[in-house]
Amino acid sequence: DAKTTQPPSMDCAEGRAANLPCNHSTISGNEYVYWYRQIHSQGPQYIIHGLKNNETNEMASLIITEDRKSSTLILPHATLRDTAVYYCIVRTRPLHTGTASKLTFGTGTRLQVTL
Amino acid sequence: AAGVIQSPRHLIKEKRETATLKCYPIPRHDTVYWYQQGPGQDPQFLISFYEKMQSDKGSIPDRFSAQQFSDYHSELNMSSLELGDSALYFCASRRQGGTEAFFGQGTRLTVV
Repeated sequence: DAKTTQPPSMDCAEGRAANLPCNHSTISGNEYVYWYRQIHSQGPQYIIHGLKNNETNEMASLIITEDRKSSTLILPHATLRDTAVYYCIVRTRPLHTGTASKLTFGTGTRLQVTL
Repeated sequence: AAGVIQSPRHLIKEKRETATLKCYPIPRHDTVYWYQQGPGQDPQFLISFYEKMQSDKGSIPDRFSAQQFSDYHSELNMSSLELGDSALYFCASRRQGGTEAFFGQGTRLTVV
């Protein structure tokens, strides 16, 4: 799976949009970009994923550049409960033939949301 | 909605003892992953199973073994425990063809 690079930490004021960048310059054509977050010692939580089109769900938006070498996770209105470590992970989509396609966690971004 | 269940939530063992961690995936999920997260570290992949067969292996010590049973629950067996095995152990499950893995709340193992 391609390697990802994220800033180690970011701050965001509550109510503002949090924009978390991720570089994945070696991503290949069949690899997806996944975002998970981990709130203090809890199990990682899935946020969103995408291949090449921008994606949006109830939690966040994912913007992927046209060359797919980087992406940005956007939390539109950050709250204190969004304080967590955010992981950008690139991996192949699980095949239907039985491969497990593990998630490889790198060093994520520690987002601190403040009042 | 049902989530991934891990037991026990906390476990204290002495050095050289044995520990067994259990993971009950979400119903109809056939893939299970195990991760280890040391203090201040990121989760590290240990091993995964699909349909009761080992699918992938990461940095799992030889002292550890795991299996997935016919009801799809999984157990991580850890022998000759060392102080460095103290960590959070997460299990995640995914249904075949599903896009995301769902994690349990973890088992905190402390070796003293």
